Amino acid sequence: EPEVTQTPSHQVTQMGQEVILRCVPISNHLYFYWYRQILGQKVEFLVSFYNNEISEKSEIFDDQFSVERPDGSNFTLKIRSTKLEDSAMYFCASSEAGQPQHFGDGTRLSIL
Amino acid sequence: SQKIEQNSEALNIQEGKTATLTCNYTNYSPAYLQWYRQDPGRGPVFLLLIRENEKEKRKERLKVTFDTTLKQSLFHITASQPADSATYLCALALHSGAGSYQLTFGKGTKLSVIP
Repeated sequence: EPEVTQTPSHQVTQMGQEVILRCVPISNHLYFYWYRQILGQKVEFLVSFYNNEISEKSEIFDDQFSVERPDGSNFTLKIRSTKLEDSAMYFCASSEAGQPQHFGDGTRLSIL
Repeated sequence: SQKIEQNSEALNIQEGKTATLTCNYTNYSPAYLQWYRQDPGRGPVFLLLIRENEKEKRKERLKVTFDTTLKQSLFHITASQPADSATYLCALALHSGAGSYQLTFGKGTKLSVIP
């Protein structure tokens, strides 16, 4: 069964550094999403992306965050200047229109 | 204010029994509702989707109901097995434009099936 893949599985970064999290969505999906889950808390929506632009973003997704689909297969989340509170699991998801979102296994981001 | 609540943080059940998990919400008008399973250190795995005009959906040992008047969904696992032990997440799908839907998750219920 096709799946969403995310790399790296674990990223350790110094505070203030830029980080790029990568995702390969399911190939025929057109809708892409990023969510995060701080340890012990619920999964939170960050951003949705369709037709090469952001459809919706949450309050968490401030100017430090950006998303890109640089080619036909990858979908990336960039955090420009990381803060300690950015430490979390980041999940990528993809879907067809009005269909279930399928999640990757996430990138654990640790900010030191 | 908007809330989505799953009835308990943890639920222990004897193998073979039916597990029933509850998801209640206030001040949302979801297009549909999804249930996911999450194992430690893994991403949510999609289980079932039920739309606002549907009352019940089934898949193998799983059943979900959706009452938009009560603003409640019930998720049942029949003939539960130790392998069903995981955290189960309720997620409301809210339309966010251009055919995309943002999911708002509950905190989850950690189910333990005891042999």
